[in-house]
Amino acid sequence: AQSVAQPEDQVNVAEGNPLTVKCTYSVSGNPYLFWYVQYPNRGLQFLLKYITGDNLVKGSYGFEAEFNKSQTSFHLKKPSALVSDSALYFCAVRDGGYGGATNKLIFGTGTLLAVQP
Amino acid sequence: DARVTQTPRHKVTEMGQEVTMRCQPILGHNTVFWYRQTMMQGLELLAYFRNRAPLDDSGMPKDRFSAEMPDATLATLKIQPSEPRDSAVYFCASGLPTANTEAFFGQGTRLTVV
Repeated sequence: AQSVAQPEDQVNVAEGNPLTVKCTYSVSGNPYLFWYVQYPNRGLQFLLKYITGDNLVKGSYGFEAEFNKSQTSFHLKKPSALVSDSALYFCAVRDGGYGGATNKLIFGTGTLLAVQP
Repeated sequence: DARVTQTPRHKVTEMGQEVTMRCQPILGHNTVFWYRQTMMQGLELLAYFRNRAPLDDSGMPKDRFSAEMPDATLATLKIQPSEPRDSAVYFCASGLPTANTEAFFGQGTRLTVV
């Protein structure tokens, strides 16, 4: 069964500093990995995804994520945090194995990012 | 622009009443997901449809919850009877069936059962 772990409930960072939000995954087939952001009282918005190829993926709002197959990780990063980046971030995985049910989209528990001015 | 539409946005109901939440997926998307978000459990996958057929509803309490897609433009999630512990935000998302594609989320239905 596929699963995602986000070990940190909250990450605090000062504005202008680099940020990292951690994610590890488990799938039986090829992993397709996603990051979403949720602002208060809103739905989830897609940020970026890893399918194949370059391990460093760039996405919206200056975010990027690094895929590491040996560590089964897909950490979200940004070189310089903004106060407006403060939100709830979710990592998600879809299993690339064949079979309909394995393609479901499973989310981690979320990490609250707080950027202090 | 294309978006997933959920109705109602907010619902307050009394315990024991039936609740129906509706979702209009993005035109052309044949995969629909229903999620429940709570502080304690995070985002739980309740049901997963492809081409209107349920592929996985193992996360859904079968005794009171049901999910259907009467047609390609409408997905419904029903709770009967509702209980206070069902209070949560329910999200619908739609997408394409291939695993390398992202899903697009609606704004959610905030359900309060009193």
